[in-house]
Amino acid sequence: DQQVKQNSPSLSVQEGRISILNCDYTNSMFDYFLWYKKYPAEGPTFLISISSIKDKNEDGRFTVFLNKSAKHLSLHIVPSQPGDSAVYFCAATRENAGGTSYGKLTFGQGTILTVHP
Amino acid sequence: KAGVTQTPRYLIKTRGQQVTLSCSPISGHRSVSWYQQTPGQGLQFLFEYFSETQRNKGNFPGRFSGRQFSNSRSEMNVSTLELGDSALYLCASTQNWGLQETQYFGPGTRLLVL
Repeated sequence: DQQVKQNSPSLSVQEGRISILNCDYTNSMFDYFLWYKKYPAEGPTFLISISSIKDKNEDGRFTVFLNKSAKHLSLHIVPSQPGDSAVYFCAATRENAGGTSYGKLTFGQGTILTVHP
Repeated sequence: KAGVTQTPRYLIKTRGQQVTLSCSPISGHRSVSWYQQTPGQGLQFLFEYFSETQRNKGNFPGRFSGRQFSNSRSEMNVSTLELGDSALYLCASTQNWGLQETQYFGPGTRLLVL
């Protein structure tokens, strides 16, 4: 049961343009969402997060949008840079539920972003 | 602050052996989670420890176990290794759960089972 889905395995973008990475979830109990970036043979690096009480969060070139009714979130990177080329994972959790939620992030399968110079 | 560290970084074992992986969380972080990453299954949650207690466990067989020490360092153990246990094992730490805090990941231990 894939509770978090990233339906695009890959995305190719020109340098300077916008990159939009999408993520859908099925568990309506998720209340906190995160995006991570990962290079091969390294651990995921945290990018940005959003609580379910918000619909947008910005940090520099990165903006995350949350549409709770559609159970959809997206990560916008503007402008895209070649150094942004990596695998991007969205993750979701129920932060205040305790029990089977402790310490557990549920990840999507990842989207490979390639930014061309 | 130093980040999450994991040792060893690479490991080669044969089927039937056991392995122990180590994780040192960020200073002050008391919650440590472990994940397995494979090409087929992606990132899967193994278990979480807080104050030396396992609070949560994912859907993995009992061959996968862990523990946490009083200084918050954690180890995971896999007994009777199988070929399918070949994966990147990631450790992540946070101060506590339920505060909308971020999990920070270590570089991982790449395990190859032959």
